[in-house]
Amino acid sequence: DGGITQSPKYLFRKEGQNVTLSCEQNLNHDAMYWYRQDPGQGLRLIYYSQIVNDFQKGDIAEGYSVSREKKESFPLTVTSAQKNPTAFYLCASSILPDIRGTEAFFGQGTRLTVV
Amino acid sequence: KNEVEQSPQNLTAQEGEFITINCSYSVGISALHWLQQHPGGGIVSLFMLSSGKKKHGRLIATINIQEKHSSLHITASHPRDSAVYICAAPREYGNKLVFGAGTILRVKS
Repeated sequence: DGGITQSPKYLFRKEGQNVTLSCEQNLNHDAMYWYRQDPGQGLRLIYYSQIVNDFQKGDIAEGYSVSREKKESFPLTVTSAQKNPTAFYLCASSILPDIRGTEAFFGQGTRLTVV
Repeated sequence: KNEVEQSPQNLTAQEGEFITINCSYSVGISALHWLQQHPGGGIVSLFMLSSGKKKHGRLIATINIQEKHSSLHITASHPRDSAVYICAAPREYGNKLVFGAGTILRVKS
């Protein structure tokens, strides 16, 4: 079945360590996105990529980095510069480059806890 | 004022009840999205609509572009409908959706 796979589902890291969250899709979608979800708040966009080897900062990119070397993969690295990294992270994709006018597909999310 | 506001924040219903969740937005719009997030965290897209009404099973979504308001209705609610329902509106500029904080729905049997 086609879909978006995020791994791992739960991740624990010590403060000061970088950590990479995986996102893979087999939907052949050009555009991929990373969102952060905090309790009581709407999802906020971290980074997005509309095509391989290109990505753009979202609203809260500081302390995060991404790469898009393959169409299927869009890993997110949470660096030690991110001041409050504990959150739920969701990866999404859309068949059209502009998510505003097309259906979005989401992964199951990764819950990151930094201790 | 948030760009996308949902009400209510929390909703508890008895099985079989008709449920309405509201979404008001101030951003520009091409299409508004309704999403469902289950307790495990994964999100599923329910509807994307830019005018009128859409129906899928027991779910109905309506939108009034002039009033910048959308509603999600669930008929004959069931405990399996318990989830967080999220609306999202597109920003006028940039490839971005603005998400509401979500409505937590619990349907009791």
